[in-house]
Amino acid sequence: KAGVTQTPRYLIKTRGQQVTLSCSPISGHRSVSWYQQTPGQGLQFLFEYFSETQRNKGNFPGRFSGRQFSNSRSEMNVSTLELGDSALYLCASSFTGGWGETQYFGPGTRLLVL
Amino acid sequence: EDKVVQSPLSLVVHEGDTVTLNCSYEVTNFRSLLWYKQEKKAPTFLFMLTSSGIEKKSGRLSSILDKKELFSILNITATQTGDSAIYLCAVPLLTNAGGTSYGKLTFGQGTILTVHP
Repeated sequence: KAGVTQTPRYLIKTRGQQVTLSCSPISGHRSVSWYQQTPGQGLQFLFEYFSETQRNKGNFPGRFSGRQFSNSRSEMNVSTLELGDSALYLCASSFTGGWGETQYFGPGTRLLVL
Repeated sequence: EDKVVQSPLSLVVHEGDTVTLNCSYEVTNFRSLLWYKQEKKAPTFLFMLTSSGIEKKSGRLSSILDKKELFSILNITATQTGDSAIYLCAVPLLTNAGGTSYGKLTFGQGTILTVHP
């Protein structure tokens, strides 16, 4: 069974631009969560989607948004990029996102904002 | 505020050594704790510990959960260079009402383990 895939793997943008990252969950998984990983803050939860609905959101500004499609694939968008948005963005999938389930992570998208 | 704290933040050992990584937590409505290993990019799942399963073992890795003292340890015996990685512990959060806060893991800062030959 294929794992979680993320595209693109690497991205370089300049301040003020916007970016869209994509995540395809493991087949059969309907919950997709997004995390931002930086050396200073570690792994921080961005938001979670299930059945095309955002169920949970972390403490990030409104510039960070996402959506989920009917096939469970998810995208996240960051508008008006800032230098501090440089990070590894990870998505994770699970069957329903419940507390007893393991979340499986994708390889991440490394975003560099210049 | 819910909090997960790992120690040490970094550790350097030689092959064959035994290491113990610590994870303490302060969360409301605790249900489970997860350990992940992150080598290049994707964190890979190691263990999940719950009230009904407070000790797990897989090969040279083992983990225990102390619900009374609110901590977990990850033990690696006979370390190998391939064990070099960041080890993360995480706790899924529940809402104050006791419902599940779906898909929301709170992570510790991670322990960077370096194993020299």
